[in-house]
Amino acid sequence: DVKVTQSSRYLVKRTGEKVFLECVQDMDHENMFWYRQDPGLGLRLIYFSYDVKMKEKGDIPEGYSVSREKKERFSLILESASTNQTSMYLCASSQLAGGTYEQYFGPGTRLTVT
Amino acid sequence: DAKTTQPTSMDCAEGRAANLPCNHSTISGNEYVYWYRQIHSQGPQYIIHGLKNNETNEMASLIITEDRKSSTLILPHATLRDTAVYYCIVRENYGQNFVFGPGTRLSVLP
Repeated sequence: DVKVTQSSRYLVKRTGEKVFLECVQDMDHENMFWYRQDPGLGLRLIYFSYDVKMKEKGDIPEGYSVSREKKERFSLILESASTNQTSMYLCASSQLAGGTYEQYFGPGTRLTVT
Repeated sequence: DAKTTQPTSMDCAEGRAANLPCNHSTISGNEYVYWYRQIHSQGPQYIIHGLKNNETNEMASLIITEDRKSSTLILPHATLRDTAVYYCIVRENYGQNFVFGPGTRLSVLP
């Protein structure tokens, strides 16, 4: 089974702190994604990566950056956390396989910025 | 712009079939219909997808109308653990990301 893990389930940080959210997948997938999920807004794509050291902006990249130094690991960085970045953060990975394109999600990190 | 519309919520009795509808009247010829679900406090889980033929797997069945403007996800024997938000997503198979709308909150009742 595909497994996507995230470094923390719950995280509390202060305004202005630098925050790292880590995601690791064990299925050799090329594509990895970071979403945030907020009530009433659904899932919104922040960044994605289709290869090592490659990254593409999603719909809401402002205030975030990402790093993909190894194929299995995709990090989301909040350079200076703000209260409006309090949210559930979801990582996903996928591989184009036989024409299908399912994304597999991690359990999520609930980040609170105070 | 939303590509799909789903009811906000539905109830289903335990052991009965749950039929979750989705309208996607603007779907184009190369777009697939995907279904995911999200159980409380977990990440979304892939259920099934299809292009124009009906599909079945161990979790569910997907019925797509002939004109492809709507579809129905069927959970044949709903259990309490199927209580979740169900998302219907329309997407080209070679696109990069999924756009999740608000989904349907399914409550399976004992």
